[in-house]
Amino acid sequence: QKEVEQDPGPLSVPEGAIVSLNCTYSNSAFQYFMWYRQYSRKGPELLMYTYSSGNKEDGRFTAQVDKSSKYISLFIRDSQPSDSATYLCAMSANSGYSTLTFGKGTMLLVSP
Amino acid sequence: EPEVTQTPSHQVTQMGQEVILRCVPISNHLYFYWYRQILGQKVEFLVSFYNNEISEKSEIFDDQFSVERPDGSNFTLKIRSTKLEDSAMYFCASYTGLLQETQYFGPGTRLLVL
Repeated sequence: QKEVEQDPGPLSVPEGAIVSLNCTYSNSAFQYFMWYRQYSRKGPELLMYTYSSGNKEDGRFTAQVDKSSKYISLFIRDSQPSDSATYLCAMSANSGYSTLTFGKGTMLLVSP
Repeated sequence: EPEVTQTPSHQVTQMGQEVILRCVPISNHLYFYWYRQILGQKVEFLVSFYNNEISEKSEIFDDQFSVERPDGSNFTLKIRSTKLEDSAMYFCASYTGLLQETQYFGPGTRLLVL
């Protein structure tokens, strides 16, 4: 079983839609969960960072962690064409200093 | 806003040649990392560096790889004798050390080994 699984997509939605992106993981030691956005051939850009279970909201983005199910989600409200990118989930066991384990990324396409 | 920078953005080299990839981490950060992403695959951890020494490395980071912080601002990854399979995007990342923070990534160096 892969450590972090993420549907590669592409996920195509119309502008204004609510987008749901998800990852599952197998390592129960993961405590810190991140979402990065990656435009084509660019570096990962940090979007959201959460610790343990619960929700965190930042503007149009909401990150949700369910450790009991080993399942994390990123919701994007009122999606825009500029949100078109690959979204990577990442997680670690011991805060920011420990190595990040990434999912493969989900490609999101938001059409005008 | 402070950011991690990397040079060069692209590097083409012949198999067997040495390459040095350079990074300038965010200035108040204490932990430094190299990751790589082979086209179409996951971002993979290579090595972490703290207090002027390697703190962790993956099985990918073999004797062909080395890292160095030659001065107070630069962080380098050297590949001594490049192989075709080293072709990838190489990302540098840095981290403050604060609990509420995580790693910030640079724009990457695209390495192509011919």
